[in-house]
Amino acid sequence: KAGVTQTPRYLIKTRGQQVTLSCSPISGHRSVSWYQQTPGQGLQFLFEYFSETQRNKGNFPGRFSGRQFSNSRSEMNVSTLELGDSALYLCASSLGGQERSYTFGSGTRLTVV
Amino acid sequence: AQKVTQAQTEISVVEKEDVTLDCVYETRDTTYYLFWYKQPPSGELVFLIRRNSFDEQNEISGRYSWNFQKSTSSFNFTITASQVVDSAVYFCALSATFGSGTYKYIFGTGTRLKVLA
Repeated sequence: KAGVTQTPRYLIKTRGQQVTLSCSPISGHRSVSWYQQTPGQGLQFLFEYFSETQRNKGNFPGRFSGRQFSNSRSEMNVSTLELGDSALYLCASSLGGQERSYTFGSGTRLTVV
Repeated sequence: AQKVTQAQTEISVVEKEDVTLDCVYETRDTTYYLFWYKQPPSGELVFLIRRNSFDEQNEISGRYSWNFQKSTSSFNFTITASQVVDSAVYFCALSATFGSGTYKYIFGTGTRLKVLA
């Protein structure tokens, strides 16, 4: 069965621009979570969506937003990019529920110059 | 507070050595779940194992074994006879509620394991 697909794999953007990242979860998975991974901060939770509703949110500024569509695909958007937003953005899907393990995508590597 | 600590930032071993990755967690929940994930150089985290707070049985899967001890709030991971392919970053994670009925996954900072040929 197909895994979690994230597009694009790599992105280079200029400071001040905005960017949209996409995540297609495993078929049947209704929960999609987003994480930012940087060498200094490790894996930081951005938000989780379940059945098109944001269920949890991490401590990121409002420039970071997301949404989930009826087919469970999710997008995250970062506006007014800053150099510090350079990171690997990982998407993870699950069936939902505290006990569930995540299936991760390969990530989108965002570089802000 | 809910927290996961992986004190070992990086470990290097020679192939065929055994290695243990430490994970210490904090939570006030009585029901919680612990996980280990592996992140190879390709970037994709791969799920390895889950334990719930009521199951303290140790688990062995091939060369991998896990030791869960509630008394010390630890969930350690041992690789026996390590191989170069085990080189990766390993993350311990905790799934716990925050008193609001919802839950969050909390990841440790990861341990980079380098297995040298």
